Amino acid sequence: DIQMTQSPSSLSASVGDRVTITCRASQNIINYLNWYQQKPGKTPKLLISAASSLQNGVPSRFSGSGSGTDFTLSISGLQPEDFATYYCQQSYSSPRFTFGPGTRVDIK
Amino acid sequence: EVQLVESGGGLVQPGGSLRLSCAASGFSFSSYWMTWFRQAPGKGLEWVANIKQDGSEKYYVDSVEGRFTISRDNAKNSLFLQMNSLKADDTAMYYCAREVNDFWSGRMFDYWGQGTLVTVSS
Repeated sequence: DIQMTQSPSSLSASVGDRVTITCRASQNIINYLNWYQQKPGKTPKLLISAASSLQNGVPSRFSGSGSGTDFTLSISGLQPEDFATYYCQQSYSSPRFTFGPGTRVDIK
Repeated sequence: EVQLVESGGGLVQPGGSLRLSCAASGFSFSSYWMTWFRQAPGKGLEWVANIKQDGSEKYYVDSVEGRFTISRDNAKNSLFLQMNSLKADDTAMYYCAREVNDFWSGRMFDYWGQGTLVTVSS
């Protein structure tokens, strides 16, 4: 099974900060990596697919990069609505999937 | 507008059974793989099971294999999850989601329901 890890597990940041979250796969997943945002009490929202493809309607301050085993999600100019938990998810082993444990972004 | 509405959750004793439903609307249900996820209280997301458009392929996470059965009724635009031999560890919010398969981007989940809560406790 492909294991996904994320770091940090949580972070505190201020509005306007640049935030970077790292996701690592236990084996090469090429670019089959998606990012989701989940706000408290809400359902996950797909932000980025294929490591770096921004979904329609997602603000351009979100960006993704990486390939192989190491990936990053960056938020440039953090906004109040961005405080949430972010999950990476690999689809290399589809039709089975695994998520990272999540990174919670809190207000400093 | 794509909508996914789960139902069927509740409180059940260990060893008991529940059947979850997901009513889909706003898209051609029979054209998509569909998936169940779960999220234990305060925990992360876990893929549970998925099913091919015509129901001919089904896959499960190891922890539910043999206890849960995913199915669908394309005529009624509905997805189901039959959960048997429930354990305390199965306590979670259960979400259904639409799976999209893009040639360049791979597979992803673009629409999710609001979830239905399953609590396994005596």
